[in-house]
Amino acid sequence: ETGVTQTPRHLVMGMTNKKSLKCEQHLGHNAMYWYKQSAKKPLELMFVYSLEERVENNSVPSRFSPECPNSSHLFLHLHTLQPEDSALYLCASSQEGVGGPKRYEQYFGPGTRLTVT
Amino acid sequence: AQTVTQSQPEMSVQEAETVTLSCTYDTSESDYYLFWYKQPPSRQMILVIRQEAYKQQNATENRFSVNFQKAAKSFSLKISDSQLGDAAMYFCAYRGPQVQGAQKLVFGQGTRLTINP
Repeated sequence: ETGVTQTPRHLVMGMTNKKSLKCEQHLGHNAMYWYKQSAKKPLELMFVYSLEERVENNSVPSRFSPECPNSSHLFLHLHTLQPEDSALYLCASSQEGVGGPKRYEQYFGPGTRLTVT
Repeated sequence: AQTVTQSQPEMSVQEAETVTLSCTYDTSESDYYLFWYKQPPSRQMILVIRQEAYKQQNATENRFSVNFQKAAKSFSLKISDSQLGDAAMYFCAYRGPQVQGAQKLVFGQGTRLTINP
């Protein structure tokens, strides 16, 4: 695997379900991100992890719970979601701090299309 | 707060012609980074080009180039010799100055580019 991978690619869940989204980066980066992309809205940052520590939580409801066990893996745990949470969830990674010419560039995974019924 | 504005929701161009996508941003910072991303129907976000604010020279990547006007806070993307594979949503994004830890990207609303054969 190369780049940033996300599983599953598609997910349909009921409002009472619990599910998790997984992201893995194979780029040796030290920061990972969750973004939400809804129809007719700009991409919105949800969470940022730098060196496995959460550095930003962009006022996201508690029904979304991130987890970053190491610098290569990022999870988004979902529970009791609402229909308005249906969206494309994108994971990204970047190299922050001292580094080469590609530092600060964020590389994205293919996304998970989530539908809440 | 920083904002990014793409005033053209949709653009179209004939194959092999040149097209320019507009982007303006608002920031009080003097050091920052700007990016253009491409999102084809597969929904994979692909980095097209980057520009560091401290560099006066406009960035170029093959058929893609930018016109960076720092005083006007303008960052347009020019695509030369348009190809059918260039059809996609294009997003302009802003990243703030170097600080310790990761930083989010602030995205514009996107411009949908259609290539006419």
